Amino acid sequence: GAVVSQHPSWVICKSGTSVKIECRSLDFQATTMFWYRQFPKQSLMLMATSNEGSKATYEQGVEKDKFLINHASLTLSTLTVTSAHPEDSSFYICISWGDRVLEAFFGQGTRLTVV
Amino acid sequence: AQSVTQPDIHITVSEGASLELRCNYSYGATPYLFWYVQSPGQGLQLLLKYFSGDTLVQGIKGFEAEFKRSQSSFNLRKPSVHWSDAAEYFCAVGARDYKLSFGAGTTVTVRA
Repeated sequence: GAVVSQHPSWVICKSGTSVKIECRSLDFQATTMFWYRQFPKQSLMLMATSNEGSKATYEQGVEKDKFLINHASLTLSTLTVTSAHPEDSSFYICISWGDRVLEAFFGQGTRLTVV
Repeated sequence: AQSVTQPDIHITVSEGASLELRCNYSYGATPYLFWYVQSPGQGLQLLLKYFSGDTLVQGIKGFEAEFKRSQSSFNLRKPSVHWSDAAEYFCAVGARDYKLSFGAGTTVTVRA
């Protein structure tokens, strides 16, 4: 069945560095990818919506220059956390909907820790 | 925009007892409704979903949920919980733009 593969599953980085998170859709074309963030003990909050071949749409309060999203192909969307700081430590997850079946497919999530 | 409310932050239930988690949503049309479970340190696993049709939906792990349009609810139930059901449960509503809005989550503790 359709799968979204998210990589890495966890990453620890130093403050000030950048981290790239990849989400690949397997067996289907992910025209749209949704990026969410989950802080400890909290729910998932939508950060941005990426559409293949166009600029991402960011939710209010999310810095587009800090969270760079690229969706250059129908099977790959990336989120780059630039100049990461400890407050960016969170669980990031991508979600896409199938193109032949009406279902949301989740990446496995990336646990980012900035030290 | 759609929204989801999970009124119960934390529920403790005895193993073998029944479980019901509440979910209320706000959306102008018929929503897509989901329940997900998240174990500590893990990603989210889909338990069940409702798009249309039969309002009583069966899911994995013995869970079921009932869509009640008049109450704008989509409560999750399990007749007999197992210790492995201890986790965080999220209700989510999806609109026609496919954006999912998640509830704050309900933590379920299972006592022996």
